[in-house]
Amino acid sequence: DIVMTQTPLSSPVTLGQPASISCRSSESLVHSNGKTYLNWLQQRPGQPPRLLIYKISNRFSGVPDRFSGSGAGTDFTLKISRVEAEDVGVYYCTQGKQFPYTFGQGTKLEI
Amino acid sequence: EVQLVESGGGLVQPGGSLRLSCSASGFTFSPLWMHWVRQAPGEGLVWMSRITGDGTVTTYADSVRGRFTISRDNAKSTLYLQMNSLRVEDTAVYYCVRGGIDTELDYWGRGTLVTVSS
Repeated sequence: DIVMTQTPLSSPVTLGQPASISCRSSESLVHSNGKTYLNWLQQRPGQPPRLLIYKISNRFSGVPDRFSGSGAGTDFTLKISRVEAEDVGVYYCTQGKQFPYTFGQGTKLEI
Repeated sequence: EVQLVESGGGLVQPGGSLRLSCSASGFTFSPLWMHWVRQAPGEGLVWMSRITGDGTVTTYADSVRGRFTISRDNAKSTLYLQMNSLRVEDTAVYYCVRGGIDTELDYWGRGTLVTVSS
């Protein structure tokens, strides 16, 4: 199975300041079709997860442009340019390259 | 608007069975893969199972293979998860998740809680 490792596991942030979360996979997430299936999810307290970013850097429908994703191969980053109060929650990276799909441990973003 | 609504969760004794359902609306159900993902209380996300759009191919996590069965009824836009031989460690919120093309796990239901306890 592909292991997804996130750092940090907890991130105290200040409103209006940037935040960054890293995700490393145990093997390359480049599929044989050339695409890289690395997604980022946000789970607000008491809510189901919500897709933020797909295929490394594509913002999903309705996601604010303060969220951005980058990376390649095995190393990926989610950045929030200016944290807002509604961004509090747990963020997960996930790979869809092969089964079983796997998730990072989650990074708790707290003000 | 894409909606996924799970039902069928509840309290069951170890060794018991439960069938979860997920009613989908707001999109064309039949071509898309569907998944089940679970989350134990206070824990992270764990992928459980996938089914292709036509229902012919299914995939499972090792922890549930042979005990859980995923299926779908495209005429009813409904996804199912038959869970047998339930264990205490199967206690979790079970999410129905759409597998969008390229977007993968793109829409999530609100989940249904399964509690396995004597």
